[in-house]
Amino acid sequence: SQQGEEDPQALSIQEGENATMNCSYKTSINNLQWYRQNSGRGLVHLILIRSNEREKHSGRLRVTLDTSKKSSSLLITASRAADTASYFCATVRNPRIQGAQKLVFGQGTRLTINP
Amino acid sequence: DAMVIQNPRYQVTQFGKPVTLSCSQTLNHNVMYWYQQKSSQAPKLLFHYYDKDFNNEADTPDNFQSRRPNTSFCFLDIRSPGLGDAAMYLCATSARGGSPSGKAYNEQFFGPGTRLTVL
Repeated sequence: SQQGEEDPQALSIQEGENATMNCSYKTSINNLQWYRQNSGRGLVHLILIRSNEREKHSGRLRVTLDTSKKSSSLLITASRAADTASYFCATVRNPRIQGAQKLVFGQGTRLTINP
Repeated sequence: DAMVIQNPRYQVTQFGKPVTLSCSQTLNHNVMYWYQQKSSQAPKLLFHYYDKDFNNEADTPDNFQSRRPNTSFCFLDIRSPGLGDAAMYLCATSARGGSPSGKAYNEQFFGPGTRLTVL
């Protein structure tokens, strides 16, 4: 079952502008991850933020996590045409026993960067 | 470079004709996953292997089966494909991790996917 929702569903901005995408989820989590997917391709992991973290940076990416609101945001600064892709958040719940992590994906945001 | 490989990238099959998709990895990860992603939708987990232990999602149809003969390879078998099974199938791996304390979780590495068309 789908864990959460992302908004906006689609976002179109000019190159150089910042892009912000939001993700909400329903249950308690162990961590939240963001992935990028170029059209017709596999997913690429961008960043992981654990439930006890509030903010994380990686290059032009900034992720925040608010567990009280069950929400996260992904900010891409100084966007480039190559950032055009779909972006998915995915949550991992706390396990009862040791095992594989199971990602539950949001519906994704389709980001278009216009030159 | 270590990676996750899926073959073929595009597969066309006929309604009801069994089809097998393959995934291999050079990462030596102990966990392998299969996801189904339909057009403009989120990936949906079908099942995963934790070492040799198979874990099926409750809502995965019986039509979908999987095999993992060794650490490097994992197969997705669709016994009788229907039109509704047309989708992108994604294989992913992750390193051993996960504990009740949750400290060892890390990211998944995805292959490029196999796009399945059912005629």
